[in-house]
Amino acid sequence: DTAVSQTPKYLVTQMGNDKSIKCEQNLGHDTMYWYKQDSKKFLKIMFSYNNKELIINETVPNRFSPKSPDKAHLNLHINSLELGDSAVYFCASSQVGLNTGELFFGEGSRLTVL
Amino acid sequence: GENVEQHPSTLSVQEGDSAVIKCTYSDSASNYFPWYKQELGKRPQLIIDIRSNVGEKKDQRIAVTLNKTAKHFSLHITETQPEDSAVYFCAAKEDSWGKFQFGAGTQVVVTP
Repeated sequence: DTAVSQTPKYLVTQMGNDKSIKCEQNLGHDTMYWYKQDSKKFLKIMFSYNNKELIINETVPNRFSPKSPDKAHLNLHINSLELGDSAVYFCASSQVGLNTGELFFGEGSRLTVL
Repeated sequence: GENVEQHPSTLSVQEGDSAVIKCTYSDSASNYFPWYKQELGKRPQLIIDIRSNVGEKKDQRIAVTLNKTAKHFSLHITETQPEDSAVYFCAAKEDSWGKFQFGAGTQVVVTP
């Protein structure tokens, strides 16, 4: 069973389009994240949700809109895609609290904007 | 906010030699320090972590050391093997609502 699964794995689209990436975790974790990994491999946090509430919102263009319908799902919608949005987007989850645990990553969604 | 610096950015070692990657962090409230390994085209995966109440932790060929006073922590890989070739990321996090702040990564290449 995949712990953190995200779809699609690959996404090729034109500039200006709108696209979504979905993420689901079956670990029972209360916190989910979106990270962006660019061509230089840097892992940059974008958003974090705890029990469906937004707790981290980094400096990300408002073309990016996360949605968490429940604590097991965190989706990412991107409007008006730009060339610079090309990257691998990783969903992750963890259980926060007194003993912060491991961050589990999904397999990544490679977005290519042409 | 937290800032994590990681060095070196690339590291080439001969098989069997040791590899050391160093990280520094800025937020003294950080108390959880994981290390992730990312193989080409794969997801980052936790290989070892350490909490601030511990100075060193070992797991077979890998070890992590933490100096809270100096805000340094390091990953040590002994007897490196070709399958150790990957990008390694350090991270720092404050418990509770703090975010995982990652270093920029170290590309490790182990040559036979």
